[in-house]
Amino acid sequence: DQQVKQNSPSLSVQEGRISILNCDYTNSMFDYFLWYKKYPAEGPTFLISISSIKDKNEDGRFTVFLNKSAKHLSLHIVPSQPGDSAVYFCAASATSGTYKYIFGTGTRLKVLA
Amino acid sequence: DAGITQSPRHKVTETGTPVTLRCHQTENHRYMYWYRQDPGHGLRLIHYSYGVKDTDKGEVSDGYSVSRSKTEDFLLTLESATSSQTSVYFCAITAQGGPPYEQYFGPGTRLTVT
Repeated sequence: DQQVKQNSPSLSVQEGRISILNCDYTNSMFDYFLWYKKYPAEGPTFLISISSIKDKNEDGRFTVFLNKSAKHLSLHIVPSQPGDSAVYFCAASATSGTYKYIFGTGTRLKVLA
Repeated sequence: DAGITQSPRHKVTETGTPVTLRCHQTENHRYMYWYRQDPGHGLRLIHYSYGVKDTDKGEVSDGYSVSRSKTEDFLLTLESATSSQTSVYFCAITAQGGPPYEQYFGPGTRLTVT
C-alpha cells in the first residue's frame, strides 16, 4: 500500500512557465512533508518542507502548498529554469517518535528551453 | 554538505556472495538511514539507526542486515546477494535539533548483482 503517491511519472514545462508537481498521501498521522530534487548519479538534495500547521511555505522560486483535508500537497516552481530538470520526490513523516520518512515514487521534470 | 560518504561507489558482485556497503558521516548525527532507489518505486527505507547499536527495520528489510558500532559508521550487509538487490543504495542522516527535519543524502552506491 503506497502511503505517498506521485501519480505523474513525468512532466514537461516550457522555460519561464510554472511547474506544478503533485503528491497525495493516505496516512492522516503524517504531519511533516518534504520535497527533494535528484539529479542523475547524485543523492537527493533537500528542497523545501512544510509542517501540517501551515498551508503554504515559500523559498525563492519554490512554494509548497498543503491541503490537509484532501491529503494533498503540491510544489510550484516559478519561473521554471532548465536547471530545474530533475526527478522530484515528496516525502512524509509522522514526527512524533521515529524520524522515519515515506517517499513517493518521484516525478521527472523536464524544463524545455 | 553533511559530510556523508559512501563506499564503494560502484560494485558488481555475483549471486550468493555477501556484500557490505559503508556509510560514513563526520558530523556526529544520531540518526542514519539506508534506502534503495528503483525505477517505479522511488526511495524505500531498508533499515535505520537511532544511535550506536540501536537499529530498526524499514519497509524492505528482508535480505539485509545493518550494524552501527560507532556513531560515524553505518554498515549495510547483503548476506547472500540476489539479482533483485541490484539497485542504487543511498545513505542518509537526519539533521536533528528541530524542524525542518530534513535528511541529507550521500552520493549513492550502484550495486549490480549478476
